Amino acid sequence: GEDVEQSLFLSVREGDSSVINCTYTDSSSTYLYWYKQEPGAGLQLLTYIFSNMDMKQDQRLTVLLNKKDKHLSLRIADTQTGDSAIYFCAESARSGGSYIPTFGRGTSLIVHP
Amino acid sequence: DAGVIQSPRHEVTEMGQEVTLRCKPISGHNSLFWYRQTMMRGLELLIYFNNNVPIDDSGMPEDRFSAKMPNASFSTLKIQPSEPRDSAVYFCASSTMTGTGANVLTFGAGSRLTVL
Repeated sequence: GEDVEQSLFLSVREGDSSVINCTYTDSSSTYLYWYKQEPGAGLQLLTYIFSNMDMKQDQRLTVLLNKKDKHLSLRIADTQTGDSAIYFCAESARSGGSYIPTFGRGTSLIVHP
Repeated sequence: DAGVIQSPRHEVTEMGQEVTLRCKPISGHNSLFWYRQTMMRGLELLIYFNNNVPIDDSGMPEDRFSAKMPNASFSTLKIQPSEPRDSAVYFCASSTMTGTGANVLTFGAGSRLTVL
């Protein structure tokens, strides 16, 4: 199976909260990341969390980490149409002495009025 | 800084032709990554460099793919000969990798390759 798993699609109404879920496999991951990709563009870092934390909040974004279950989630409060994009979860995989982000396949968030 | 610069943004070529993708990382970043994005496989790490030295190329699909980083401000990914199954978006990313802190990648806009 894949190292990082995410559901492929999520549809929400404007103004509602969005919750994007992710499971990962590498228990030694020191950092876990959320990136956003808009059409025709590269990935852009949204936020990251250190593995000894269980929550991080940044304005409308809340990241929850359950290390025991290897589960990461991203909550976007008051979702706007501009939040429509693909959201990637990434764990830190050990490679050549360093920790390299390994990405999931991305969750397409569709926000409708 | 203008960010990570990739060229070309779009390339359409015929099977068997050589393709060269180029990347200029952010000045001061010591690590550079090449990823490939497809619908079938998602985002795959092909190779990464640290201080211009290739560290892990286990993701390079086969010998038709090669990557170089002759200096800190330039890298190429070459496919020779190209095949239709190489059609994908190729991303270059760079970071300041310390080995202990978060490894935050800055991505370029990607090079969309279509091999006919």
